[in-house]
Amino acid sequence: QKEVEQNSGPLSVPEGAIASLNCTYSDRGSQSFFWYRQYSGKSPELIMSIYSNGDKEDGRFTAQLNKASQYVSLLIRDSQPSDSATYLCAVNGPGYALNFGKGTSLLVTP
Amino acid sequence: DAGVIQSPRHEVTEMGQEVTLRCKPISGHNSLFWYRQTMMRGLELLIYFNNNVPIDDSGMPEDRFSAKMPNASFSTLKIQPSEPRDSAVYFCASGREADTQYFGPGTRLTVL
Repeated sequence: QKEVEQNSGPLSVPEGAIASLNCTYSDRGSQSFFWYRQYSGKSPELIMSIYSNGDKEDGRFTAQLNKASQYVSLLIRDSQPSDSATYLCAVNGPGYALNFGKGTSLLVTP
Repeated sequence: DAGVIQSPRHEVTEMGQEVTLRCKPISGHNSLFWYRQTMMRGLELLIYFNNNVPIDDSGMPEDRFSAKMPNASFSTLKIQPSEPRDSAVYFCASGREADTQYFGPGTRLTVL
C-alpha cells in the first residue's frame, strides 16, 4: 500500500503569517502531486498541482516538490481566516488513481 | 458548466437495506472515481472507471459493494446489504485521465 503521510494538526497560525503544510510519500515512482482544500462538510477542492522538482507559485500559494526526499509542501502566504480548512495532499497511484493523505487541519486566528 | 452531480445528498437507512448512490460526471471527462471518507481512515479510493470500464476495484471493501457505469454520464455505487460501519461520506470525482480530479458534493450515508 502506497503511503501518503501528513501531520494531522491542528496547525494554528495568526492572520497574515505564513502557513507551512508538509507531506511525505512512499512511492518513488509517483509523478503527479496535488493539494486539495476541504472545508468542513464540503468536498475537496483542488488548489495546486505540481509535477516537477522545485517551486510552483499561484497567488498566495506555493507548492514545493523534492522527489529525492519524497517530500511535498504547501506554503500559504498572508494567511487569512478563510484559509482555515483541512488540506489534503494527494499523490498519483497506479493508473489514474490518487492516494490521499489524511489531511492537516489549519486554523488561522484573527 | 455543471460540476459533478451526486444524489442523494443525504441518506439514512437501516441495517440490511440496499443503498444506491448516483453520480453524473462532468461532460467530457472520461475517468470517474468513487471515494469514501471517514474520520478514522480519511479519503479512500473504492473504484475507478476509465471510458466506462472498471479499471481498479481493489478498494471496494467487500462483496456487498458494487459499482457500475453504464454510460459516460452516469454511475452508481450500490451497497447490499448495508451495515452501520458503512456510514461515511461517499464522493464521486471525475477527470480527464491523468488530469485533475473534480469532486462532487458527496453523499452522507448513515446506516442505523
